[in-house]
Amino acid sequence: GAGVSQTPSNKVTEKGKYVELRCDPISGHTALYWYRQSLGQGPEFLIYFQGTGAADDSGLPNDRFFAVRPEGSVSTLKIQRTERGDSAVYLCASSQGGSSSYEQYFGPGTRLTVT
Amino acid sequence: GNSVTQMEGPVTLSEEAFLTINCTYTATGYPSLFWYVQYPGEGLQLLLKATKADDKGSNKGFEATYRKETTSFHLEKGSVQVSDSAVYFCALKGDAGGTSYGKLTFGQGTILTVHP
Repeated sequence: GAGVSQTPSNKVTEKGKYVELRCDPISGHTALYWYRQSLGQGPEFLIYFQGTGAADDSGLPNDRFFAVRPEGSVSTLKIQRTERGDSAVYLCASSQGGSSSYEQYFGPGTRLTVT
Repeated sequence: GNSVTQMEGPVTLSEEAFLTINCTYTATGYPSLFWYVQYPGEGLQLLLKATKADDKGSNKGFEATYRKETTSFHLEKGSVQVSDSAVYFCALKGDAGGTSYGKLTFGQGTILTVHP
């Protein structure tokens, strides 16, 4: 079956612009996660959805970052007034639930470059 | 908060050599521990996991044992192949009673290159 998909695969934007990154999870997965991976580092947690609600948004770095999952499936990560330090690969993952019994399946990521 | 520390790389080995990648963690309660692998040009994949102390996770010839007394989860393989060349990430997930339940905390990754 289809895995987690993310669009676009690459996004180049100018400093100060607004961007939206999309994640399509595996069908039926109720849990959805966003992570950010900077060059040479491991992924860092941003936000976790269980269904439509954000169960944990403690990883969002500041109020320029926002994410939604209005119907409990597709999620959009929104970044306002982008800064060069936002450049990274943004990863989405989904799982059947939040417990450790369920594997998190990762998408290929969106590489964001802020110039 | 929770944290994971991996041995610094890169690691370069000849085919059939023994591999160890060290991983230690800091966490409250009883986290679950994972190794993820990222092959060139591919996304992150779960390699193995252990959910309680003394459990051994294994897959594709790789093994790791959850050692609570040393807070470690070292990855080992007896005989590496060229196809094992990838980036390996150690990670933990907090237990259900903690505030970090659900999310993964990753180490910085270790690049492994295996030569023929």
